[in-house]
Amino acid sequence: GQQVMQIPQYQHVQEGEDFTTYCNSSTTLSNIQWYKQRPGGHPVFLIQLVKSGEVKKQKRLTFQFGEAKKNSSLHITATQTTDVGTYFCAGPVTGGGNKLTFGTGTQLKVEL
Amino acid sequence: NAGVTQTPKFRILKIGQSMTLQCTQDMNHNYMYWYRQDPGMGLKLIYYSVGAGITDKGEVPNGYNVSRSTTEDFPLRLELAAPSQTSVYFCASLATIMSPLHFGNGTRLTVT
Repeated sequence: GQQVMQIPQYQHVQEGEDFTTYCNSSTTLSNIQWYKQRPGGHPVFLIQLVKSGEVKKQKRLTFQFGEAKKNSSLHITATQTTDVGTYFCAGPVTGGGNKLTFGTGTQLKVEL
Repeated sequence: NAGVTQTPKFRILKIGQSMTLQCTQDMNHNYMYWYRQDPGMGLKLIYYSVGAGITDKGEVPNGYNVSRSTTEDFPLRLELAAPSQTSVYFCASLATIMSPLHFGNGTRLTVT
């Protein structure tokens, strides 16, 4: 079945360092969404990418969708303690109608 | 708007007991989903619904049942609770597959 893997699984950084998480799908995705889940909270939608090679920015966050639409990345510049949480990518299940498959997630910890 | 509301927030069950996790949304979304999230893990789809009267299985449906009698409500039923069902359960809804998922705050269930 379709698999969506994320690396790394965990990342500890010092405040001010950059952070990147990578999302890789076993199948081509029509679109990809990114979510952030704070500790003890629920996933919150960040952004959606649709076009091959698309790049979107939200302040210190940069999202990319690969040319082959099978991978994506989220880069955070100069991390802050408020960036702490788990970041998930999610994509539509191939032939699965309105189901989203979530990636395995990357847990980010930021130390002062 | 309240968005997606889940009740209860916490519950402890004994092995073999049954319960219903409630989920309601006030956004008139046709698509609703139940996910479970084990500690430190990603989200796994249990059941989903594309509209009132229509439900379908996700990745991990065993031990659960759902119903969708109205657009607003999508309850999840656990019959004969088992320790393996200890998890955080999230209900979510969306308008279309190109829209973001709106999550409830989750129900933390422990089966002992």
